[in-house]
Amino acid sequence: QKEVEQDPGPLSVPEGAIVSLNCTYSNSAFQYFMWYRQYSRKGPELLMYTYSSGNKEDGRFTAQVDKSSKYISLFIRDSQPSDSATYLCAMSSGGSNYKLTFGKGTLLTVNP
Amino acid sequence: AAGVIQSPRHLIKEKRETATLKCYPIPRHDTVYWYQQGPGQDPQFLISFYEKMQSDKGSIPDRFSAQQFSDYHSELNMSSLELGDSALYFCASSFTGEQPQHFGDGTRLSIL
Repeated sequence: QKEVEQDPGPLSVPEGAIVSLNCTYSNSAFQYFMWYRQYSRKGPELLMYTYSSGNKEDGRFTAQVDKSSKYISLFIRDSQPSDSATYLCAMSSGGSNYKLTFGKGTLLTVNP
Repeated sequence: AAGVIQSPRHLIKEKRETATLKCYPIPRHDTVYWYQQGPGQDPQFLISFYEKMQSDKGSIPDRFSAQQFSDYHSELNMSSLELGDSALYFCASSFTGEQPQHFGDGTRLSIL
């Protein structure tokens, strides 16, 4: 079983829809949670960064972390065709552990 | 804002050849991370450096080595290349080893 599980989709929604993306994890040491957006042939672009549990909002994006359930979510409001990309969740325990552990990524298509 | 710069963007090599990938972190970032992303896969952590010292090590083959220089740029050296080394290689950087990590656009390595 992978440390981080993410539904690979693909997910197809109409423009303007609310999108919900989720990851579950098994390592209770994870404290840092990130969402990255990756367009084809480009590097992962940081969207949201959260430390420990809680919610964080940035424009149309909201990230939620529930450490008790080992579950994180990313919500995209008023989705746009330009949001079409692969979304990767990533986590780290911090301290002397520097690496990020990624989910497999969810391919999202927003149709005009 | 300045981002992580990787060179070359594309590299074609034959089996048993060597390759050197370069990474220039965001200004003031002192920590560099290397990841390998195979086709349709999530990025896998290879190695990281903080203040020019190796800080963490993942699933990096013995044929690969890396270092961070006094100007904080990093190089990933790959020898005895194999077909299975064909992948996207990403570099990321952060400040003082803390999250979040910011990624470059990667080097696409193709082994013929």
